[in-house]
Amino acid sequence: GDSVTQMEGPVTLSEEAFLTINCTYTATGYPSLFWYVQYPGEGLQLLLKATKADDKGSNKGFEATYRKETTSFHLEKGSVQVSDSAVYFCALTPNQAGTALIFGKGTTLSVSS
Amino acid sequence: GAVVSQHPSWVICKSGTSVKIECRSLDFQATTMFWYRQFPKQSLMLMATSNEGSKATYEQGVEKDKFLINHASLTLSTLTVTSAHPEDSSFYICSALTRQGAYEQYFGPGTRLTVT
Repeated sequence: GDSVTQMEGPVTLSEEAFLTINCTYTATGYPSLFWYVQYPGEGLQLLLKATKADDKGSNKGFEATYRKETTSFHLEKGSVQVSDSAVYFCALTPNQAGTALIFGKGTTLSVSS
Repeated sequence: GAVVSQHPSWVICKSGTSVKIECRSLDFQATTMFWYRQFPKQSLMLMATSNEGSKATYEQGVEKDKFLINHASLTLSTLTVTSAHPEDSSFYICSALTRQGAYEQYFGPGTRLTVT
C-alpha cells in the first residue's frame, strides 16, 4: 500500500542554519503531498502542499518540490528560527476525494539561539 | 479559515469507564471526518473514517465495538472509547474534510486521554 518515509530525528540546528528534512513516498497513481507541522501542545497545521509533479509548495519560508522521478518531497528552509522548533510530518493522500492522509513518522526539529 | 474543535482537550478516566470525545467543524460542513490516534513520539494512525449519516469505516485492527463513532450531523462527529483500559491512553485527533476545492483536511487540536 501507499506509504511515506521521512528522516529520523531529532534534528538540532542553530538559528539561521539551513534545514532539510527528507521525505520519500510510495504510491500508486498520482498522490497529493503535504507537510504538516505540530508545535508543542498544539494540533497539526498544514504547512504546504503540492498536488502534481514539479509543483513547489511554499509557506513561511519553507518550501518543498514534488519530484515524481525520485518520489520525494523534501522540506527545506534557508534560515531557521527558534520558533520553527516543532514536529514536522510528511503526508500523502491519493488523488481521490474523501480519503485519509497517510503520514510519515514525523521529524522533531529543535532550533537553538 | 476552516476551524475544527475538539472537546475535551484532555481527560483522565478510570479503567472500565467510557469517554466521549467530540469533534466539531465550526465554520464549514464536513461530510467526512477522520479519527486518528497518535502515540508518543510516533506518527498519526488512522482509526476510522466517519461519514455523516452512515456507519463509520474502521481500519484493520481497530475494534469498532470499543471505539464507537457517530457522525450525527454535518458539523459533529463523536468518538466514544468504551470500557477504557490503560492501553487506550493516547492522543486522539480528528480531522474534517471540506467539500470545496482540493478536499483539504483540517485538524482538531487533539484530545489527550489518560486511563488510570
